[in-house]
Amino acid sequence: DTAVSQTPKYLVTQMGNDKSIKCEQNLGHDTMYWYKQDSKKFLKIMFSYNNKELIINETVPNRFSPKSPDKAHLNLHINSLELGDSAVYFCASSQNIGSGNTIYFGEGSWLTVV
Amino acid sequence: GNSVTQMEGPVTLSEEAFLTINCTYTATGYPSLFWYVQYPGEGLQLLLKATKADDKGSNKGFEATYRKETTSFHLEKGSVQVSDSAVYFCALIPTGNQFYFGTGTSLTVIP
Repeated sequence: DTAVSQTPKYLVTQMGNDKSIKCEQNLGHDTMYWYKQDSKKFLKIMFSYNNKELIINETVPNRFSPKSPDKAHLNLHINSLELGDSAVYFCASSQNIGSGNTIYFGEGSWLTVV
Repeated sequence: GNSVTQMEGPVTLSEEAFLTINCTYTATGYPSLFWYVQYPGEGLQLLLKATKADDKGSNKGFEATYRKETTSFHLEKGSVQVSDSAVYFCALIPTGNQFYFGTGTSLTVIP
């Protein structure tokens, strides 16, 4: 009964490959996010969707493409992986955007590009 | 603009020591403030939150008070345990806006 679940948890892949990380939330939330956490634990927001509509699109290489087939799912596809893409990627959700909301995180996907 | 500044780590304490992790913020409107904790190999979990000035959030012996006059939300615990070793993130969400996270403070508690 995990609230925000993402797969895979660990992913090791070669440079130049294309990979996807899937995320699902069963909380009935309207807003979902992708965050990237680097080796120094710094969290950077990448994307946010509200009711399947893209509302936050930070400066991220266009090799990263989010897809939200419905408001319970937000997948992240990465093309032509580079060494610098190695990081932990967290999916998260909140009821909606704005003050008073709490954000709930998935367990993270550890991506290693070799 | 909106931002969160928290004390740099790493912080190392002996078991039963008093913990303070400082967090200050700048924000438009009336933000909600949060502390999240990340245990090794896991995702971030909500530790506590406060939604308006002078509110005190508390959980698992941790406390933080929303101080509008000093724009602060410092995390405190009276007696830390080895199991509290983790990375702690201060965060805010301003009115009608996205979440902003601090850079995280790593805490190690030694027996």
